[in-house]
Amino acid sequence: EPEVTQTPSHQVTQMGQEVILRCVPISNHLYFYWYRQILGQKVEFLVSFYNNEISEKSEIFDDQFSVERPDGSNFTLKIRSTKLEDSAMYFCASRRGQGFGGELFFGEGSRLTVL
Amino acid sequence: QQPVQSPQAVILREGEDAVINCSSSKALYSVHWYRQKHGEAPVFLMILLKGGEQKGHEKISASFNEKKQQSSLYLTASQLSYSGTYFCGTAYNNNDMRFGAGTRLTVKP
Repeated sequence: EPEVTQTPSHQVTQMGQEVILRCVPISNHLYFYWYRQILGQKVEFLVSFYNNEISEKSEIFDDQFSVERPDGSNFTLKIRSTKLEDSAMYFCASRRGQGFGGELFFGEGSRLTVL
Repeated sequence: QQPVQSPQAVILREGEDAVINCSSSKALYSVHWYRQKHGEAPVFLMILLKGGEQKGHEKISASFNEKKQQSSLYLTASQLSYSGTYFCGTAYNNNDMRFGAGTRLTVKP
């Protein structure tokens, strides 16, 4: 069964360092998302991406964050200068078609710990 | 823009029923329900679309009241495997989906 894969599964970094989280969405999916979940809390929308550009972003997704689809398969989230409060689980998700009639497929997540 | 879920937590015995509610202050395009087990990614349960179409693949049912912008998830004859945190996701357009704060369901033997 096709799945969304994320790397790394866990990353520990020092405050102020840059971090890149990687995702490989399901191959025929067109819409890509990043969500984050601080431990024990809700799943928060960060950004959606379609046709090689950001289609929507939340108030959390400030200038410290960026997303990219550098090639036909990878979808990355970069945090330029990490803060303690960036510590969270980051989930990548993808869906196939237009409209929200189809389910989101989530990756297993990348746990980011900022020290 | 986030939907509001209630209750925050539910504790059941096996075989009991539960209802989880989700409401939005904005007109909805669709409502999604996901379940998350501890330390895992959210897993799809159900989609409810404007116009009444439903898509799901588990023994769980849901309703969607478009006028009130509300959805309810019905868990009947609960099993131990139903334990987890349930999130409703509400889509207002094609591009984003916001999740509620979650309802922690615990099913005890």
